[in-house]
Amino acid sequence: NAGVTQTPKFQVLKTGQSMTLQCAQDMNHNSMYWYRQDPGMGLRLIYYSASEGTTDKGEVPNGYNVSRLNKREFSLRLESAAPSQTSVYFCASTFGTRSRETQYFGPGTRLLVL
Amino acid sequence: SQQGEEDPQALSIQEGENATMNCSYKTSINNLQWYRQNSGRGLVHLILIRSNEREKHSGRLRVTLDTSKKSSSLLITASRAADTASYFCATGDNFNKFYFGSGTKLNVKP
Repeated sequence: NAGVTQTPKFQVLKTGQSMTLQCAQDMNHNSMYWYRQDPGMGLRLIYYSASEGTTDKGEVPNGYNVSRLNKREFSLRLESAAPSQTSVYFCASTFGTRSRETQYFGPGTRLLVL
Repeated sequence: SQQGEEDPQALSIQEGENATMNCSYKTSINNLQWYRQNSGRGLVHLILIRSNEREKHSGRLRVTLDTSKKSSSLLITASRAADTASYFCATGDNFNKFYFGSGTKLNVKP
């Protein structure tokens, strides 16, 4: 039981390049989330998926797209990376679809955009 | 924004002392959760307190919630060096979203 896994662990991009961050969970959770964490700050919600087949915007969705590929996988895509997107990206999941649930986090992807 | 704010931003104590950190938030909540983040790692859930609860305990952790003041506190008793980490509060709304504060960085000196 690996929990929440994220790939890659670290990535360097040039401005304008695109990439997809992958997230998978093996806990049969219904909801999945993407956050970004900037230095010295808390997490800000980018997008979330309350259940398979649905996605919704969070606080900071601009510049990102997501795909809930199936119940296990939730990917985050940067179509044209910008230096302002340099951050650590965390994926999380919860069993239920309500915010009263405990979130389980992946180890993070560190992204540097030059 | 519903985002919480932790206070203090940083706290340094000796092993064996108690550590108290506070969280304030802006709008009504369904629940409030505390998470720990070790350096370079993901967040780990510590404890959840519902909006109709006032106090909750889990091992060396004690959490209080005052919805009239829109604030919560996390007390870690008899701290250990292994408690060194950043601590975040997260508020859950009545739907699917969580809002995280900016965190308190705790350093426990051996």
